[in-house]
Formats: sequence, C-alpha cells, structure tokens
Amino acid sequence: AQRVTQPEKLLSVFKGAPVELKCNYSYSGSPELFWYVQYSRQRLQLLLRHISRESIKGFTADLNKGETSFHLKKPFAQEEDSAMYYCALRGGNNDMRFGAGTRLTVKP
Amino acid sequence: DVKVTQSSRYLVKRTGEKVFLECVQDMDHENMFWYRQDPGLGLRLIYFSYDVKMKEKGDIPEGYSVSREKKERFSLILESASTNQTSMYLCASSPTGAGANVLTFGAGSRLTVL
Repeated sequence: AQRVTQPEKLLSVFKGAPVELKCNYSYSGSPELFWYVQYSRQRLQLLLRHISRESIKGFTADLNKGETSFHLKKPFAQEEDSAMYYCALRGGNNDMRFGAGTRLTVKP
Repeated sequence: DVKVTQSSRYLVKRTGEKVFLECVQDMDHENMFWYRQDPGLGLRLIYFSYDVKMKEKGDIPEGYSVSREKKERFSLILESASTNQTSMYLCASSPTGAGANVLTFGAGSRLTVL
C-alpha cells in the first residue's frame, strides 16, 4: 500500500528565506508524485507534479527514488506562499493518497 | 467556471441521521473521489470510483457508502451519522489518459454531527 509522510505540520520562515517542505513516500510500484496547495479560503489545487519537471511560482520538487523523497523547495519565500501544502502519491488504480500536510507561514 | 460542485457547503446533523453529500462534475471525468480533511491528519481517502457503478474502498470506508449511477455524480452516504464523522469532506475528479491523476477539487462540505 502507498503511504505519504510529511514530517512537519508547521513551518515558518521569513520573507526572502529559502524554504523546503519535506515529503517521503513508500510505494512498491513506480511512483508518481504531486504537490497540492490550499490557500486561505480557496480550493485545493495542483501546484506541480514530478513528471512535468516544472517550476511553478518559483517552487521545484525533485523525485529522489533512492531516498524515497519528493521535497518541495523555493529559494526565496514570499508572503503569498503562506498556505497549506500537501504531498500526494498516485496508486495503481488512479487512486491518490495524500500526506498530513504542512502549513507554511511566511513572515514579513 | 466551477467544475466540481458540492451541493452543501455547511450541514449540521444529529447523531443517527442519514446524511447525503452530493458531488457533480462537468468535465466528463472518469475518476471521482471522496476525502475527509482533518487538521493534523491531512486528506484521507474514503472511497473512489473509476467508472459508473464502480467503487473502490479507500483507507477509511467504515461508516460510509457511495453511489455512482451517472458519470457526473458521485454521492457519499453516511448511513447513521456519528460525532466522529464531523469533518470537512472534499470531492474531487480526474480524467484518465492524458492529464490523468490531476485532481480537480470541490469547495468542500463541512459537516457537523451533534
């Protein structure tokens, strides 16, 4: 069975500081991983996915199969990045499992 | 341009009542999901469906059932609501094939069971 672990429930950084949100997974198959974000009073939405190898809003995430990790990084955090971030893993039936989430607060 | 609509934003029910949460999507997606969202626990998958009349249990199906009679509609049913089912319920859908596994979420239904 697939499992996603986000070890930090809360993360607080100052504006302009680097930020890294951790995500580890366990899955016997070939993993497909995602980061979703929920801003205040908004719907949960896709931020990025590993197969796209894209940078969205300055965020990147690299899949490390050796460490079974998919950490989300941004070199210079902005106040508008304050949100709830969820790491997600797709299973073999197109089902999606999410982690417990990390609430990021970027202080001015 | 709302694409996943959950019929009720807020519901208050009493213990033992039967509760229906409705979700409709207009994107012709094959896959639909129900999650509950709780602080510190994240999103936990209750049930999902990959086709009409098909359903699969997620991680916490106990106390819930689902119905998918039409492609666009996926209903979550609490046969006898209990206080520990007080939560935010999120519906989502996704296509298969290209773009698969990118979930589009509804706004959520906050259920309080007294």
